[in-house]
Amino acid sequence: DTGVSQDPRHKITKRGQNVTFRCDPISEHNRLYWYRQTLGQGPEFLTYFQNEAQLEKSRLLSDRFSAERPKGSFSTLEIQRTEQGDSAMYLCASSSRTDTQYFGPGTRLTVL
Amino acid sequence: AQSVSQHNHHVILSEAASLELGCNYSYGGTVNLFWYVQYPGQHLQLLLKYFSGDPLVKGIKGFEAEFIKSKFSFNLRKPSVQWSDTAEYFCAVSPRGAGTASKLTFGTGTRLQVTL
Repeated sequence: DTGVSQDPRHKITKRGQNVTFRCDPISEHNRLYWYRQTLGQGPEFLTYFQNEAQLEKSRLLSDRFSAERPKGSFSTLEIQRTEQGDSAMYLCASSSRTDTQYFGPGTRLTVL
Repeated sequence: AQSVSQHNHHVILSEAASLELGCNYSYGGTVNLFWYVQYPGQHLQLLLKYFSGDPLVKGIKGFEAEFIKSKFSFNLRKPSVQWSDTAEYFCAVSPRGAGTASKLTFGTGTRLQVTL
């Protein structure tokens, strides 16, 4: 399977804990995006990488959130001191210069 | 900032009925337009896209969409739906141009339920 993969698929954590998600994009794609989707809403943009450079961050991405893409390959999204409001589906997408984004299956986070 | 409106939140149709889902966007510049579909238990998949050229675009599974620039609309259509089209449909736009992040702005989605 050469699509976008995400790990883990599900994460349950207690409030205040830190969590980290991983995204592996389609191998030849140099652009990588993170989105968050809550129930009844469409995905909302969080941040964007072109190669290893993080070029844009949404205001939704508070100081507790950090994303990295070392060496321009896989990316990680870390949430520190999780809150119940962080419960959502976290989606990763990748694209090449064609600007068509392909999405992974997402990581569903539940904060108790 | 761009925004997307999908006015139909939940649509119920019988098999073989025709489908039209509305999508309107707001943005001051040129955009790329997309429809994504999310089948139950599956991830978002691209249904079709419009970048330029013929405003009537055809996608997978018999879907098509028409870009009407004057109305800022990109409605999705299918002449005859099947039970397997039951899914959630998202309209999305991204700004087009050098130096833009091409981030997608999504509508809230339309849940389509097709009954037998």
